[in-house]
Amino acid sequence: DIQMTQSPSSLSASVGDRVTITCRASQGISNYLAWYQQRPGKVPKFLIYAASTLQSGVPSRFSGSGSGTDFTLTISSLQPEDVATYYCQKYNRAPFTFGPGTKVNIK
Amino acid sequence: EVQLLESGGGLVQPGGSLRLSCEASGFTFRSYAMSWVRQAPGKGLEWVSVISDSGGTIYYADSVKGRFTISRDNSKNTLFLQMNSLRAEDTALYYCVKGPSVALLDYWGQGTLVTVSS
Repeated sequence: DIQMTQSPSSLSASVGDRVTITCRASQGISNYLAWYQQRPGKVPKFLIYAASTLQSGVPSRFSGSGSGTDFTLTISSLQPEDVATYYCQKYNRAPFTFGPGTKVNIK
Repeated sequence: EVQLLESGGGLVQPGGSLRLSCEASGFTFRSYAMSWVRQAPGKGLEWVSVISDSGGTIYYADSVKGRFTISRDNSKNTLFLQMNSLRAEDTALYYCVKGPSVALLDYWGQGTLVTVSS
């Protein structure tokens, strides 16, 4: 099965900073990559699919890119409400494995 | 408004069984794939299983294959997860999730907690 990794595992940044999270697949998955946000104590929220397509209602400061094995989630200007753990998920074929998550905090 | 209400969680001994249910409302249940995703306390998300809108396509994570069975009753807008031969490592919050497709997860329930312990 394809394994998903994320880096860093956690980060702290200031409000307004540009934040980038990396997700890597152990084999190529084309653009079958989704991102989810889980705020502390809350249920996950669907952010991005097809590596770069924003789900309806997601702020435009979020963006995704990548194809094949390497993907990134970028927050262009970090806001306090972006404090959360972010998970990538591959969905080219089952099992639809999640990455281990990246925890984003405010410095 | 999409609502997903899980139930059936609780404390069970290792080797025991539980049946989780998820009552759906606010959308045409029979038209969408439904999934179960779990999260152990303080840990990350783990995809568990998915069933297509008609029930004709089902997938499982290797960690639950042969022990868990997903099913749905489209006449009652309800998703199920039958969990047998439970292990301590199955302890988690189990989310019922609607998908815009078999693979994606757009609306999540609040979860039901399953604790496997003697």
